[in-house]
Amino acid sequence: GDSVTQMEGPVTLSEEAFLTINCTYTATGYPSLFWYVQYPGEGLQLLLKATKADDKGSNKGFEATYRKETTSFHLEKGSVQVSDSAVYFCALRRKETSGSRLTFGEGTQLTVNP
Amino acid sequence: EAGVTQFPSHSVIEKGQTVTLRCDPISGHDNLYWYRRVMGKEIKFLLHFVKESKQDESGMPNNRFLAERTGGTYSTLKVQPAELEDSGVYFCASSQGHSPLHFGNGTRLTVT
Repeated sequence: GDSVTQMEGPVTLSEEAFLTINCTYTATGYPSLFWYVQYPGEGLQLLLKATKADDKGSNKGFEATYRKETTSFHLEKGSVQVSDSAVYFCALRRKETSGSRLTFGEGTQLTVNP
Repeated sequence: EAGVTQFPSHSVIEKGQTVTLRCDPISGHDNLYWYRRVMGKEIKFLLHFVKESKQDESGMPNNRFLAERTGGTYSTLKVQPAELEDSGVYFCASSQGHSPLHFGNGTRLTVT
């Protein structure tokens, strides 16, 4: 079945450091890939997405590139801020059927210190 | 547009009691999903409604869980009787067609 594997957390960085959160997936076909973020006390928010190979999703300074050859979708940001502290979830979704469900990874807790 | 609304935001109950969680999706969204995150693990799919019909309930853990979506609007998820391992955060999400899922803030359930 489909699965998503994220790097284990928690991750603690200083402000302005470079961030990478690794994500790899297993799925049949070519799913759409997503990063969701959960800020403290809030629900899940879509951060970025990519729907086909070599697509790059970007938002709020975060980027991730859909790599079919390595089945990966690593999240990166060049300079993190304290406000980026949150839990980040990688997820995939099949495109074959309308309304298909998301499959999530375990989430990575990021803490950014001033 | 109003987002996905869930209540209560927190619920603490004793083992053996019953709890009902409610989700109001974004108006017009036919797809409604329930997910659960237990003990800091991955967010796991529970079930998917299309309007009032259960499209996929393969993630429901056992028959103590009952989900309904009467009239195809809001949905309820009842746990009866609750067990300790049911503790976690229950998320609801909605979408229209193949658009991205919009999530609620979740209900944190603690069973003692």
